[in-house]
Amino acid sequence: AQTVTQSQPEMSVQEAETVTLSCTYDTSESDYYLFWYKQPPSRQMILVIRQEAYKQQNATENRFSVNFQKAAKSFSLKISDSQLGDAAMYFCAYRSAVPGTYKYIFGTGTRLKVLA
Amino acid sequence: DTEVTQTPKHLVMGMTNKKSLKCEQHMGHRAMYWYKQKAKKPPELMFVYSYEKLSINESVPSRFSPECPNSSLLNLHLHALQPEDSALYLCASSRPGTGRYEQYFGPGTRLTVT
Repeated sequence: AQTVTQSQPEMSVQEAETVTLSCTYDTSESDYYLFWYKQPPSRQMILVIRQEAYKQQNATENRFSVNFQKAAKSFSLKISDSQLGDAAMYFCAYRSAVPGTYKYIFGTGTRLKVLA
Repeated sequence: DTEVTQTPKHLVMGMTNKKSLKCEQHMGHRAMYWYKQKAKKPPELMFVYSYEKLSINESVPSRFSPECPNSSLLNLHLHALQPEDSALYLCASSRPGTGRYEQYFGPGTRLTVT
């Protein structure tokens, strides 16, 4: 069975600085998808970034980028130029690419605080 | 339109009540999910419907009863709940089979069982 581990329950970053959130996973599959989701306090969970395992190139979305190391089973999220609106719970998630698989495996989350 | 809507936003119910949560999406997604989320915890999967058929039931107690009347609508019927069932209930959808496997989440229903 697949597992996802987020070893940092809480992180803080100064506004305009850069922060990296860690995520490791365990799987025996070769093809899968990885995601970072953001859930602000009392607000909706939204997708931040997605990475396909077959792509070597790291995904980027504006100030958000990932460092995907498939051999090490590591998928960290880098937030550049942090803003107050980045304060949220961040969840790393895994999904198999096997057809007919619908389950997403979530990590325990990292609470990010942004300091003004 | 990338919206998943959920009603009601808040619900308070007694242990003998029967209530329903509703979720709707018009993105053409054929997989729909119910999650339970406690504070500061990740979502816990409850049920998955794919193509209007129940695909996954994560051993959820029978006091929770899902229903998928059509491809856009998902309900969760609640009966004889316990105080420990108080949580945020999230609905999500995804479009399997096209390569875009991300889930879209609704804002949730905050349920309090008294």
